[in-house]
Amino acid sequence: AQTVTQSQPEMSVQEAETVTLSCTYDTSESDYYLFWYKQPPSRQMILVIRQEAYKQQNATENRFSVNFQKAAKSFSLKISDSQLGDAAMYFCAYTGTASKLTFGTGTRLQVTL
Amino acid sequence: DTGVSQDPRHKITKRGQNVTFRCDPISEHNRLYWYRQTLGQGPEFLTYFQNEAQLEKSRLLSDRFSAERPKGSFSTLEIQRTEQGDSAMYLCASSLGVSGAYEQYFGPGTRLTVT
Repeated sequence: AQTVTQSQPEMSVQEAETVTLSCTYDTSESDYYLFWYKQPPSRQMILVIRQEAYKQQNATENRFSVNFQKAAKSFSLKISDSQLGDAAMYFCAYTGTASKLTFGTGTRLQVTL
Repeated sequence: DTGVSQDPRHKITKRGQNVTFRCDPISEHNRLYWYRQTLGQGPEFLTYFQNEAQLEKSRLLSDRFSAERPKGSFSTLEIQRTEQGDSAMYLCASSLGVSGAYEQYFGPGTRLTVT
């Protein structure tokens, strides 16, 4: 079975600074996708960024980028120029051939002035 | 396109009662997923449909849980004889494609409290 581990329950970053959220996963599949989802307080979950395992190039979406280390089964999220609106729970997620998402336990990100 | 909607947003029920939740996916999305999220945890997969066919059910989905998606449109999740352990946020998601490459769009969730 696939597992996703987020070892940082909470992180804090000052506005305009950079923060990195960690995620590791375990799988025996060769074809899979990794995601970072954002869940603001009392609001629905939205996709931040996606990485296809077969792609060596790290995905980027504006201020968000990932560091995908396939051999190490590591998938971290870097948020640059942090904004107050980035405060939320961030979930790392995996999907393989089954298409269902397997989530980590989440990292709560606080953004301070 | 108004996104995935769920109804009700909140439900309080007494132990032993039956409850039913509804999810309306984004139109033309053929895949519909149900997840359960307890406090401080990530969502856990419950079941999913491709069109009207229920393709997979998690072991988390006991016999008290049943889900349907008639005509491949909206879906309902029913919990019979609710227990306090059923208290959670129930999330619905839909996607356009049949592989993991397609983004799952989430609804706002239904928060169930069993007293």
